[in-house]
Amino acid sequence: DAGVIQSPRHEVTEMGQEVTLRCKPISGHNSLFWYRQTMMRGLELLIYFNNNVPIDDSGMPEDRFSAKMPNASFSTLKIQPSEPRDSAVYFCASSFQGATEAFFGQGTRLTVV
Amino acid sequence: GIQVEQSPPDLILQEGANSTLRCNFSDSVNNLQWFHQNPWGQLINLFYIPSGTKQNGRLSATTVATERYSLLYISSSQTTDSGVYFCAANNAGNMLTFGGGTRLMVKP
Repeated sequence: DAGVIQSPRHEVTEMGQEVTLRCKPISGHNSLFWYRQTMMRGLELLIYFNNNVPIDDSGMPEDRFSAKMPNASFSTLKIQPSEPRDSAVYFCASSFQGATEAFFGQGTRLTVV
Repeated sequence: GIQVEQSPPDLILQEGANSTLRCNFSDSVNNLQWFHQNPWGQLINLFYIPSGTKQNGRLSATTVATERYSLLYISSSQTTDSGVYFCAANNAGNMLTFGGGTRLMVKP
């Protein structure tokens, strides 16, 4: 298996622009997680899907952030409009049934200037 | 939600030395994992260990669920072991909560 695949690996955008991050979970996994990593806050969970349904989005920082999972093999995290404080590494992870071992993608390093 | 604390926050070792990293968690867990974040930022799975002991080469881990802690042992450390080690746990909510990490530097 290719593991969790994220794209793009790096994204540089100007403040105010829309940013879309993409994730393909491991085939057969039905739980998907989006995390954000910053120096100040460490690794924090943004949103969790189970069977394509958002279960907990309490970590989504504000309305500028939205996430979708239209099918079992694809998810997006969108920021609109982006701000410099959104600069971070965004990780996607997947697991089977949520409580089993989770595997992480390589992350997307987002820089908003 | 569950709280996860790791110690020490920073560790410097001479190549060949052994070390123990600790992870304390505030509640019973369904899942506990150890990860290594390498200098390129990748999160590498080391152990899935909600209880018991596992070994993989120079690394081993033990989780004592009843006492709410886990230990990661690194023996005969190498420079390639450098990076940040994270412990993460979840309980009924199924969402992994990460500790703050232990930043390890192994000097040649």
